[in-house]
Amino acid sequence: EVQLVQSGAEVREPGESLRISCQGSGYSFTSYWIGWVRQTPGKGLEWMGVIYPGDSDIRYSPSFQGQVTISADKSINTSYLQWSSLKASDTAMYYCVRLFGVILTSPFDHWGQGTPVTVSS
Amino acid sequence: DIVLTQSPATLSLSPGERATLSCGASQSIRRSYLAWYQQKPGLAPRLLIYDASTRATGIPDRFSGSESGTDFTLTISRVEPEDVAVYYCQQYGSSPGTFGQGTKVEIK
Repeated sequence: EVQLVQSGAEVREPGESLRISCQGSGYSFTSYWIGWVRQTPGKGLEWMGVIYPGDSDIRYSPSFQGQVTISADKSINTSYLQWSSLKASDTAMYYCVRLFGVILTSPFDHWGQGTPVTVSS
Repeated sequence: DIVLTQSPATLSLSPGERATLSCGASQSIRRSYLAWYQQKPGLAPRLLIYDASTRATGIPDRFSGSESGTDFTLTISRVEPEDVAVYYCQQYGSSPGTFGQGTKVEIK
């Protein structure tokens, strides 16, 4: 069974750094793109970027380029989403997703349970 | 970016009724690369339909998708109480992939 298990809820102050994780199991982690999606009440669901763990090819949405860093450690089947300096506007639910096919133009067939991030002073 | 506009914002139906959800794209979507997701309260979204009309694994056949040009439709043939959720469309043919704002389905 394919599973994506994300790290737990986080509360941080503006300006702090953060890294959240997503561990995949039940499939070949290096053979599928892993993506990150942000969900907020105001902007809804937003595609942030994807990584191919097999060769660490990374693509960012222009809206998130330079704002976050996506990475992966294929030795432990885990992808990461990190911020160097959080803003209040980063408060959201973050989901990791697996892309259905091996190509970038694929829907998201599996979702993690979500990691809520709250940034507040 | 391709903008997806969903309507209506909310759909209130009785059990057994037919639900028709619409998703209009601001431009042509390459190769019908459009998906529908269901998000129940407190849960992550779940893939229902991809490539505009193909049901994902394990999805009941009361869910179906269709397209006409840049307009896409998700139909629930007979709504059940367990279908209470927000439904999102997403295009994945052009980067960045974009989502519609969602349609909430309620049961009367």
